[in-house]
Amino acid sequence: EPEVTQTPSHQVTQMGQEVILRCVPISNHLYFYWYRQILGQKVEFLVSFYNNEISEKSEIFDDQFSVERPDGSNFTLKIRSTKLEDSAMYFCASSHRGLGQPQHFGDGTRLSIL
Amino acid sequence: AQKITQTQPGMFVQEKEAVTLDCTYDTSDQSYGLFWYKQPSSGEMIFLIYQGSYDQQNATEGRYSLNFQKARKSANLVISASQLGDSTLYFCAMLDSNYQLIWGAGTKLIIKP
Repeated sequence: EPEVTQTPSHQVTQMGQEVILRCVPISNHLYFYWYRQILGQKVEFLVSFYNNEISEKSEIFDDQFSVERPDGSNFTLKIRSTKLEDSAMYFCASSHRGLGQPQHFGDGTRLSIL
Repeated sequence: AQKITQTQPGMFVQEKEAVTLDCTYDTSDQSYGLFWYKQPSSGEMIFLIYQGSYDQQNATEGRYSLNFQKARKSANLVISASQLGDSTLYFCAMLDSNYQLIWGAGTKLIIKP
């Protein structure tokens, strides 16, 4: 069964550095998402992406964050100048359509900022 | 504001009993979707079941069923014949009209042998 893949599974980075989290969504899916889950807290929506542009973004998704679909298969989340509070599990998800379709999640990237 | 409430932070259930995990939602959207996911200790999110706001029948997927009561804005997950492997964290989520998934705080389910 096709699945969403995320790399790396764990990223450790010094505060202030840039990180790029990578995702390969399911190939025929059209909608892509990033979520994060700070340890012990609920999952939070960051951004949705459709037709090569951001559809929606939350208050969390400020100028520090950016997303890109560089080559038609990868979907990346870049975090510039990381802060300690960026430490979280980051999930990529994709769906075939928007409303009415389950979003299939990757296994997540655990980001640890030192 | 859109909101998902899971009132049970933790639940203990005897193996083979049915389990109901509560979920209530708040939305002014007419069209929305409700999902349940589980999250094992390894961290990934696993899709369990989906209910659309206009679906007439309650969704079922194997041992999972969704008790959808639209007037009460509840979408409880029912797991029949619980198994030890069902012990994990369960999340209710709502897809709003902006295609964002809004999440509940989760319910940790522990199945006792």
